[in-house]
Amino acid sequence: ETGVTQTPRHLVMGMTNKKSLKCEQHLGHNAMYWYKQSAKKPLELMFVYNFKEQTENNSVPSRFSPECPNSSHLFLHLHTLQPEDSALYLCASSQAYDADTQYFGPGTRLTVL
Amino acid sequence: AQKVTQAQTEISVVEKEDVTLDCVYETRDTTYYLFWYKQPPSGELVFLIRRNSFDEQNEISGRYSWNFQKSTSSFNFTITASQVVDSAVYFCALQRGSTLGRLYFGRGTQLTVWP
Repeated sequence: ETGVTQTPRHLVMGMTNKKSLKCEQHLGHNAMYWYKQSAKKPLELMFVYNFKEQTENNSVPSRFSPECPNSSHLFLHLHTLQPEDSALYLCASSQAYDADTQYFGPGTRLTVL
Repeated sequence: AQKVTQAQTEISVVEKEDVTLDCVYETRDTTYYLFWYKQPPSGELVFLIRRNSFDEQNEISGRYSWNFQKSTSSFNFTITASQVVDSAVYFCALQRGSTLGRLYFGRGTQLTVWP
């Protein structure tokens, strides 16, 4: 595997389900990011991890819970989501957190019924 | 505050035409970075270019070229002799040159190239 991978690519879940999105980067980077892309909206930064430590939480509802066990893996745990949370969730990584190029994964298309 | 505006929501061209995607940004920082990403239907954001605020030289990479003008706060992207494979959503983004490395994205321009 190369670059940034995300699983699953598609996910359909009910509002009472609990699921997790996984991101893995094979670039040796130290910073990882979660973005949300909704229809007709700009990409929204959700969380930033730098050397496994969360450095930014962009006022994301608590029904989204990130986890970064090491610099290569990033998870987004989902529970009791709302239909408006349906979106493309993109993971990205960069060598450093400060002003470095971010490389993105293919995203997980989430649909909440 | 940082802001990126891509006024063109959708552009349609016929193959082999040249097309320019506009990007206007706002920032009070003196050090910043500008990016273009391509998002094909598969969803992945593909990195195209990164420029810093001190380098106003235009850049050409194959059929792609970028025009950075600080005087007008613009960072426009031109595709020469467009091809069907260029069809995608293109995003312009701004990054502050500080420890806050977040990307500020424009809303994107949907480019459709018809055969």
